[in-house]
Amino acid sequence: GAGVSQSPSNKVTEKGKDVELRCDPISGHTALYWYRQSLGQGLEFLIYFQGNSAPDKSGLPSDRFSAERTGGSVSTLTIQRTQQEDSAVYLCASSLSGSPLHFGNGTRLTVT
Amino acid sequence: RKEVEQDPGPFNVPEGATVAFNCTYSNSASQSFFWYRQDCRKEPKLLMSVYSSGNEDGRFTAQLNRASQYISLLIRDSKLSDSATYLCVVTLSGNTGKLIFGQGTTLQVKP
Repeated sequence: GAGVSQSPSNKVTEKGKDVELRCDPISGHTALYWYRQSLGQGLEFLIYFQGNSAPDKSGLPSDRFSAERTGGSVSTLTIQRTQQEDSAVYLCASSLSGSPLHFGNGTRLTVT
Repeated sequence: RKEVEQDPGPFNVPEGATVAFNCTYSNSASQSFFWYRQDCRKEPKLLMSVYSSGNEDGRFTAQLNRASQYISLLIRDSKLSDSATYLCVVTLSGNTGKLIFGQGTTLQVKP
């Protein structure tokens, strides 16, 4: 596709369950970012990939959060033992080095 | 102190008004600066980059003041379609991959 694709678009899960969020960046984009946005709040940086490596994981809120990227393309963000405070929109963005970010439509996660 | 700070607003202005937003950043070594726009329940999209000499794109003017560590966005002749949240974005020196977003400033343009 032409843009960044995220799936699922919506996810409702029970507290304590694990969830996996997927991001397909724009083809050829080397950089990939995960952000989180709670209702009415700004974007919270989670993690950044350059190729398959993650130079900066400083934004991951706890060890329940992990992310990987394979083949320099698709990335998955995994949240283990979800908590209600994990409820938010999780946004993925990609870019070529130095170019603007292109965001996906996000995954709206609701933990009940 | 937050790395990037913005007045959340909302700024309520009539059509045709001129409105300005400021954004301050804490890291003096910050290198790159941007304004993004986010419509309600949509993803952010790049509005414009901010250059040291200041830059203009139609009704929008962005300026950078490195000494005082702030950037600004000026919107002239506001349109109803300008209603959105404007996000200030800063890239840290030495870590060009990490873009830090401000909380955003909400603008409501009224008829």
